[in-house]
Amino acid sequence: GNSVTQMEGPVTLSEEAFLTINCTYTATGYPSLFWYVQYPGEGLQLLLKATKADDKGSNKGFEATYRKETTSFHLEKGSVQVSDSAVYFCALGWGMLTFGGGTRLMVKP
Amino acid sequence: NAGVMQNPRHLVRRRGQEARLRCSPMKGHSHVYWYRQLPEEGLKFMVYLQKENIIDESGMPKERFSAEFPKEGPSILRIQQVVRGDSAAYFCASSPGKESSGNTIYFGEGSWLTVV
Repeated sequence: GNSVTQMEGPVTLSEEAFLTINCTYTATGYPSLFWYVQYPGEGLQLLLKATKADDKGSNKGFEATYRKETTSFHLEKGSVQVSDSAVYFCALGWGMLTFGGGTRLMVKP
Repeated sequence: NAGVMQNPRHLVRRRGQEARLRCSPMKGHSHVYWYRQLPEEGLKFMVYLQKENIIDESGMPKERFSAEFPKEGPSILRIQQVVRGDSAAYFCASSPGKESSGNTIYFGEGSWLTVV
């Protein structure tokens, strides 16, 4: 079956630092890949997606590239802000998504 | 275009009571999905419904949980005889059609169930 593995958090960074959150997956076929963000007490917001190998999803300074050869979809941002503090979830599939366990990001001023 | 609407946002139930969670999909969306998020964990798929049909319920507990998406009205996730372990956030999502590369699913803001 499908599975998603994310790096465990929390990840604590200073403002303007570079961010990488690792995500690897196992899946049958070539599913679409997603990053969702969840702010405290709120629902999930789609951050970015990639639907096929080598696609790069990007949004709000975040980006991730669908790497079939390494079965990865790592999330990166060049300069984080305090407002980026949230939990980030990597997911794959369509509709019936399989989620990773989430990575909490804390950005300090 | 209103997003996926869930209510109630917060629900407190005593052990043994019933919980009903409602989800209105985005306008034009005919596919609904329910997920559960236990404290400090990721989301787990529960059930996938289209109007009047359950398409996949492989993630639903076999007892006490049921879901429906009637021809008219919202989708309902029903939990009978709740226990403390049912305390979680329940998220609904919707999409416009069949799973395909062009369809994105959108999540509601969730319903937080607390069983006391």
